[in-house]
Amino acid sequence: QKEVEQDPGPLSVPEGAIVSLNCTYSNSAFQYFMWYRQYSRKGPELLMYTYSSGNKEDGRFTAQVDKSSKYISLFIRDSQPSDSATYLCAMRGVTNAGKSTFGDGTTLTVKP
Amino acid sequence: NAGVTQTPKFQVLKTGQSMTLQCAQDMNHEYMSWYRQDPGMGLRLIHYSVGAGITDQGEVPNGYNVSRSTTEDFPLRLLSAAPSQTSVYFCASSYDGTGYGYTFGSGTRLTVV
Repeated sequence: QKEVEQDPGPLSVPEGAIVSLNCTYSNSAFQYFMWYRQYSRKGPELLMYTYSSGNKEDGRFTAQVDKSSKYISLFIRDSQPSDSATYLCAMRGVTNAGKSTFGDGTTLTVKP
Repeated sequence: NAGVTQTPKFQVLKTGQSMTLQCAQDMNHEYMSWYRQDPGMGLRLIHYSVGAGITDQGEVPNGYNVSRSTTEDFPLRLLSAAPSQTSVYFCASSYDGTGYGYTFGSGTRLTVV
């Protein structure tokens, strides 16, 4: 069983929709939770970063972490065609910033 | 500010050949990592380094070697290429502080025939 499981998708939504992307994990040592966005044929780029449980908001994006359920989510409000990409969740323990574990990614298409 | 630079961008190898994928960062990051990305399998960690002279294995290290003689450079060596190593390889660097994730390079697309 993988340490990190991500809802596989793909997702296709109309412009303006609210999108929910989700991951579950099994390793209780994970304390830092990240979301990366990857456009086609590009490297991933960091989108959101959350430490431990709670919510974090940045513009149209909200990251949510529920450590009791080992569940994290990324919400995108008022989705735009430019949000069309693959979204990867990632997480790691307190030590060793060089050793993150990634989900398999969810591909999102936002249709105009 | 170049960030993380990977070379080459594309490479075709014959089975059994060896090669080195180059990775350099100019952000003075302590941590550097190599991942491979295969369709439907996300990013899998090959090797990582916590500083110059210190490396360790990740999830899928077999067939790869790394070394880190300087903070800036972290090359990945394929010892004897196999078709199973056909993939996209990403190098990433990170600073160990709250709020910092990886900065990724643009990737090397490797095909082994």
